[in-house]
Amino acid sequence: GQNIDQPTEMTATEGAIVQINCTYQTSGFNGLFWYQQHAGEAPTFLSYNVLDGLEEKGRFSSFLSRSKGYSYLLLKELQMKDSASYLCAVRVGAGNNRKLIWGLGTSLAVNP
Amino acid sequence: NAGVTQTPKFRILKIGQSMTLQCTQDMNHNYMYWYRQDPGMGLKLIYYSVGAGITDKGEVPNGYNVSRSTTEDFPLRLELAAPSQTSVYFCASSFRLEKGTAGNTIYFGEGSWLTVV
Repeated sequence: GQNIDQPTEMTATEGAIVQINCTYQTSGFNGLFWYQQHAGEAPTFLSYNVLDGLEEKGRFSSFLSRSKGYSYLLLKELQMKDSASYLCAVRVGAGNNRKLIWGLGTSLAVNP
Repeated sequence: NAGVTQTPKFRILKIGQSMTLQCTQDMNHNYMYWYRQDPGMGLKLIYYSVGAGITDKGEVPNGYNVSRSTTEDFPLRLELAAPSQTSVYFCASSFRLEKGTAGNTIYFGEGSWLTVV
């Protein structure tokens, strides 16, 4: 089967660094996405990894290890506005059957 | 830029009623999706379409129907509303999910909050 695991909740302090982990067991891996979703809003795209290593984009970085079925999202210099749910999604399948498998999300609370 | 637009934003339905959630996108995406999101359950794919005239079932299609007569529009129909269909619904679109490319990210509409009583 297809499975993605993320911690349910995390708490961090403004200005700190937090790492949100995602492990997956899927078939036909074609890339991993991170999305941010604020309460009452739609998910928005944060990052994409298809090769092993670190992708940096401003305060956010995402890492992938395909051999370990593991990714993390690193948020630096945390701000209050970073309080949100962070969704990990893995793209699987081939041709018109490609689709995204979604994790349940990690709810991050940033405290002053 | 409009992106993905879905309506209505909020709706209360009585059990057994029918309704259609409208979705349109102006990005010329060929893929479109309908998801529902329940607390603690994550995003579940209801139906998707890879192009005009082609639709396919996702993980939780029962109780729903879709059509894709144009590239832009992908309405979701609830024929006999049930309390189990109380949820937040998201329409989304993307280009073809080509392997190894990040450009085919999924763009979401703002969501439709549906309550069935």
